[in-house]
Amino acid sequence: SYVLTQPPSVSVAPGQTARITCGGNNIGSKSVHWYQQKPGQAPVLVVYDDSDRPSGIPERFSGSNSGNTATLTISRVEAGDEADYYCQVWDSSSDPVVFGGGTKLTVL
Amino acid sequence: QVQLQESGPGLVKPSQTLSLTCTVSGGSISSGGYYWSWIRQHPGKGLEWIGYIYYSGSTYYNPSLKSRVTISVDTSKNQFSLKLSSVTAADTAVYYCARALVVVSPSFDYWGQGTLVTVSS
Repeated sequence: SYVLTQPPSVSVAPGQTARITCGGNNIGSKSVHWYQQKPGQAPVLVVYDDSDRPSGIPERFSGSNSGNTATLTISRVEAGDEADYYCQVWDSSSDPVVFGGGTKLTVL
Repeated sequence: QVQLQESGPGLVKPSQTLSLTCTVSGGSISSGGYYWSWIRQHPGKGLEWIGYIYYSGSTYYNPSLKSRVTISVDTSKNQFSLKLSSVTAADTAVYYCARALVVVSPSFDYWGQGTLVTVSS
């Protein structure tokens, strides 16, 4: 089955830029989605199809995908961005829905 | 605004069947165009996709759970349901229902709030 690898944690100071990676074999050929999950809450879609934002998601959230790595970038990080972030792909060749293990973003 | 709400017992005994229902409001399951999914999250862990159903009744399950999972839909009630048989403590998790648009690479745009199910005698 397809595997997505995320770093367990990323730390960043307020106002700086956070980059969260999601690694997978030739992931650049797939569409990657990103979710934000705050404690005790359901996940929220923040980026879909590599780089598109759902309505209501700040422009500070952006994404890119190439080669074996997809990246979620959060600009001008705020305390309220502290959360777990998960990447997800749809892999029709195996288990259709695959999630990464998640990355805890800490705002210092 | 679409809303999803999970319901069902919060405590299930080992070897029994876990049963949950997701009620959808603000949109009709029978209108098609979406996969209606169940996703779970073990305490302190990541997300695990369980399976999905289309309004027609077509299903697809996570191979690791396939032998124990049944997802069904009741379009008259605008609900879909999860049954997980022969549960053990390893099935203790928060269970979410979610919606994904049927496109080449679906993403989950609406989620329920989640419901904690504990497997214990």
